[in-house]
Amino acid sequence: AQSVTQLGSHVSVSEGALVLLRCNYSSSVPPYLFWYVQYPNQGLQLLLKYTSAATLVKGINGFEAEFKKSETSFHLTKPSAHMSDAAEYFCAVSDRESNYQLIWGAGTKLIIKP
Amino acid sequence: EAGVAQSPRYKIIEKRQSVAFWCNPISGHATLYWYQQILGQGPKLLIQFQNNGVVDDSQLPKDRFSAERLKGVDSTLKIQPAKLEDSAVYLCASSFGAGGTSYEQYFGPGTRLTVT
Repeated sequence: AQSVTQLGSHVSVSEGALVLLRCNYSSSVPPYLFWYVQYPNQGLQLLLKYTSAATLVKGINGFEAEFKKSETSFHLTKPSAHMSDAAEYFCAVSDRESNYQLIWGAGTKLIIKP
Repeated sequence: EAGVAQSPRYKIIEKRQSVAFWCNPISGHATLYWYQQILGQGPKLLIQFQNNGVVDDSQLPKDRFSAERLKGVDSTLKIQPAKLEDSAVYLCASSFGAGGTSYEQYFGPGTRLTVT
């Protein structure tokens, strides 16, 4: 069965520092991969998605993620953190095996220190 | 383009009471999802509709939860009777389709339910 592991329930970085949120997945077939962001008291917003095209995917708000098949990873990065990036980030995978339903990670809360 | 609408945004009820949530998906989206999100966890799929038919309700606690999508547009999710462990955010999402390139899900703001 598919699964998604997000390393670190909380990640704290200083404003202006590199943001790295880790996501590893298990899937026996080519997956679609997603990063969603959830601001307090709001729904989930799609940041970016991998759909078997370019392995480096650029999303909104300066975020990007790289699909590495050999490492079964889809880590999310941003070169310079901004206070407005403070939110919870969820990685999700879907594939034919899951009938394209989203399998979610537990989420990582990003804390930005001034 | 209007997004996914949900109401109410917040609801507080006592255990054993009933509650209903409403969702209006993006126009033209055939697939509708209800998720339960407990604090500190990722969303858990409760039920998936394709038009007005149920695709998957394997994780819906059918002894207390029910959902319908009449006419293949709006949907309601009901809990009766509520338990303390039902306290969560209930998210509705919609997508144009349910597979291939039509998989992208758009989420509503959610309804935060507190059961006391």
